[in-house]
Amino acid sequence: KQEVTQIPAALSVPEGENLVLNCSFTDSAIYNLQWFRQDPGKGLTSLLLIQSSQREQTSGRLNASLDKSSGRSTLYIAASQPGDSATYLCAVEGGNQFYFGTGTSLTVIP
Amino acid sequence: KAGVTQTPRYLIKTRGQQVTLSCSPISGHRSVSWYQQTPGQGLQFLFEYFSETQRNKGNFPGRFSGRQFSNSRSEMNVSTLELGDSALYLCASSLAGQGGATEAFFGQGTRLTVV
Repeated sequence: KQEVTQIPAALSVPEGENLVLNCSFTDSAIYNLQWFRQDPGKGLTSLLLIQSSQREQTSGRLNASLDKSSGRSTLYIAASQPGDSATYLCAVEGGNQFYFGTGTSLTVIP
Repeated sequence: KAGVTQTPRYLIKTRGQQVTLSCSPISGHRSVSWYQQTPGQGLQFLFEYFSETQRNKGNFPGRFSGRQFSNSRSEMNVSTLELGDSALYLCASSLAGQGGATEAFFGQGTRLTVV
């Protein structure tokens, strides 16, 4: 069974700092990996989708990488802002379902 | 374009009752999946439908059921509610399912509280 782990569980950084969130998964037979953001009590907002054949994707200040062979993905956030404060979830798709990590709770301090 | 719409947003039910939640996917999306989110267990997969067929089911008791209509709208039903069913229920839609490698979009969720 696919298991997804996210490290760290919580992160607090001053505004303007660059940061990296980590995601690891146990089964490399995935179709894609998607990063989401969740604000308290809200649904999930898609940030980036990396297909299994891709190595990275970029959107604005976000860059996500995927290394299927080692079962790892990273989400890089450049020049963090207070509005980036949220929980970030990594999800891998396989067998018509997503397997989610437990998330990284990010706080960006003004 | 309109996003994934879940109704209702909030529900309070009594133990033993049943509840039906609704999800309208993004227009053109044929895959709809459901997830339960709780503080202790995180996000857990319930089931996935594609063109009215359930293709995958998570490890939940038979009290949890779902269906998808010809217009891709989906409903999930929970019978004989238990306190532990209190959770945020999230619906996701995508263009294609397995192997499609298409982006999934989530609704705002239905917050179910069982008292």
